[in-house]
Amino acid sequence: DQQVKQNSPSLSVQEGRISILNCDYTNSMFDYFLWYKKYPAEGPTFLISISSIKDKNEDGRFTVFLNKSAKHLSLHIVPSQPGDSAVYFCAASYNDYKLSFGAGTTVTVRA
Amino acid sequence: DTEVTQTPKHLVMGMTNKKSLKCEQHMGHRAMYWYKQKAKKPPELMFVYSYEKLSINESVPSRFSPECPNSSLLNLHLHALQPEDSALYLCASSLGQGITEAFFGQGTRLTVV
Repeated sequence: DQQVKQNSPSLSVQEGRISILNCDYTNSMFDYFLWYKKYPAEGPTFLISISSIKDKNEDGRFTVFLNKSAKHLSLHIVPSQPGDSAVYFCAASYNDYKLSFGAGTTVTVRA
Repeated sequence: DTEVTQTPKHLVMGMTNKKSLKCEQHMGHRAMYWYKQKAKKPPELMFVYSYEKLSINESVPSRFSPECPNSSLLNLHLHALQPEDSALYLCASSLGQGITEAFFGQGTRLTVV
């Protein structure tokens, strides 16, 4: 039973525009959420995280929004760059226990 | 050094073979993990080591045998695997057993023939 869901397997965006990646979760016990980025032939790389006590966290071009009532989080990348083309995984944990990953969204940034 | 290094990058093995996957980190992290990722699926946790002791086994079949010789090394011994065990095996580490913000290795692509 997948507790973290990324319903869009792929996203194509023009360079310079905003990329919005969505993630839904079912377990209300999750208290920490992360986004990982993965290039082919590499392991996932931590990108940004947010605690359940916050609703927004920003780091440069990356902003994560958390809507606890909707059990939804999103990652905004502004502006999108060609180097952002990768697979993005949403992940969640509770009590610092294991990460539950979404299935990933493949982002392609078009020049 | 913020790297988690996994060897080999690729491995092809027969169902009667015995092989080992290796993982190394020099960040002083005290927790290390093995994940398995099938194509187009999310990574799934297999094992967690905390302070060199196995703390979590996610009901993994005994043909997978983890070992943590010291705080920097993590091995996964493989024996009598099945073709359906073919996957990307990812190692990760984090400062403590808290999994948040774990660093991942690039993975070993395993094919069982």
